[in-house]
Amino acid sequence: GAVVSQHPSRVICKSGTSVKIECRSLDFQATTMFWYRQFPKQSLMLMATSNEGSKATYEQGVEKDKFLINHASLTLSTLTVTSAHPEDSSFYICSARNRDSGGNTEAFFGQGTRLTVV
Amino acid sequence: DAKTTQPPSMDCAEGRAANLPCNHSTISGNEYVYWYRQIHSQGPQYIIHGLKNNETNEMASLIITEDRKSSTLILPHATLRDTAVYYCIVRVTEHSSASKIIFGSGTRLSIRP
Repeated sequence: GAVVSQHPSRVICKSGTSVKIECRSLDFQATTMFWYRQFPKQSLMLMATSNEGSKATYEQGVEKDKFLINHASLTLSTLTVTSAHPEDSSFYICSARNRDSGGNTEAFFGQGTRLTVV
Repeated sequence: DAKTTQPPSMDCAEGRAANLPCNHSTISGNEYVYWYRQIHSQGPQYIIHGLKNNETNEMASLIITEDRKSSTLILPHATLRDTAVYYCIVRVTEHSSASKIIFGSGTRLSIRP
């Protein structure tokens, strides 16, 4: 099946620094990718929709200047957590759907990135 | 998208069938029912989806009631590796890959030896 790869799988950074997380669709093209955040014992919360070649669409309450999204190609989207603070520590997950498969097909998820801000 | 209701937790004996219910009483005619699961510290994994008819694949079966207001995911022979949080999602179908997936709280399924 289709594969979505995230990198890194785990990162620890100092408070105040920025961290970039990559999400790649390995064997299909995705005009749209989705970024989620998940805190311990909670469900996934959609943060934003990443659109290839245009600005990302952020969900209500998500700061676009803090969570920078770039979708420069049909197989890569990046999420940069700027000026990270301990409360940004979370599990970040991306998702993508094959652009050639229409709307009623499954989405594929990356393995997630565990961010710890110290 | 319609909201879903699932029991917060269930358990099942290894080797038995696990039946996970989901209520989606406000589902619209153009909304599919999707099931995903998330094993601890991993990304969600697609299981199955359907519109009206029952569906079966190598992982599970999906039974949708005739009025489409509820569905049941069946894992025919549960194993310890099936321990995960299972999410039932209904989603508007669009002729676009941009349709969002919004997760509810899911059901935490525990398989006991």
